[in-house]
Amino acid sequence: EIVLTQSPGTLSLSPGERATLSCRASQSVSSIYLAWYQQKPGQAPRLLIYDASSRPTGIPDRFSGSGSGTDYTLTISRLEPEDFAVYYCQQYRRSTQTFGQGTKVEIK
Amino acid sequence: EVQLVESGGGLVKPGGSLRLSCAASGFSFIAYNMNWVRQAPGKGLEWVSFISDSGTYIYYADSVKGRFTISRDNTKNSLYLQMHSLRADDTAVYFCAREGDYGGHSPLDYWGQGTLVTVSS
Repeated sequence: EIVLTQSPGTLSLSPGERATLSCRASQSVSSIYLAWYQQKPGQAPRLLIYDASSRPTGIPDRFSGSGSGTDYTLTISRLEPEDFAVYYCQQYRRSTQTFGQGTKVEIK
Repeated sequence: EVQLVESGGGLVKPGGSLRLSCAASGFSFIAYNMNWVRQAPGKGLEWVSFISDSGTYIYYADSVKGRFTISRDNTKNSLYLQMHSLRADDTAVYFCAREGDYGGHSPLDYWGQGTLVTVSS
């Protein structure tokens, strides 16, 4: 099983600041199988990034993803009030999907 | 509009059984692979099970293998999760989620709002 470790656990930032979230895999992950999700309290997760760096239709371009091998990054260029939430990375090879433990982005 | 609506959650005693359902609408259900993902209270996301569009391919997380069974009825646009031998650590919100159509393995692009399963005596 591929273990995904996200850091930091909590990120305290102000609106307008840049957020950088990390996801490290226990073994190399094909970058085409790496996604990021946003989850707000009481809501279902929302897909933000797939294939490590692609955005689905409707996702603002302040969200970007990068990385390869074992190290991946989600960057939010300028935090909007609605971006304060928990973010999860996921590797989605069908038979062995795993999620990271999440990074909470909170208002400083 | 794509909609996934889960039902069937509730309170069950340890060792008991429960069947979850997910009603899909707004897309061609028969053309999409589907998944169950769960989230224990205050915890992160855990993938539970996958079923291919035709039901041919099925996978489970090790934590539920042998106890849970995923199935689908494409004539009813419905996904199911039969859960047996439930344990306290199965307590979670269970989400059904659609695998997107991005070519090959794809992320989960639509999710239901979830149904809560509580295993307690």
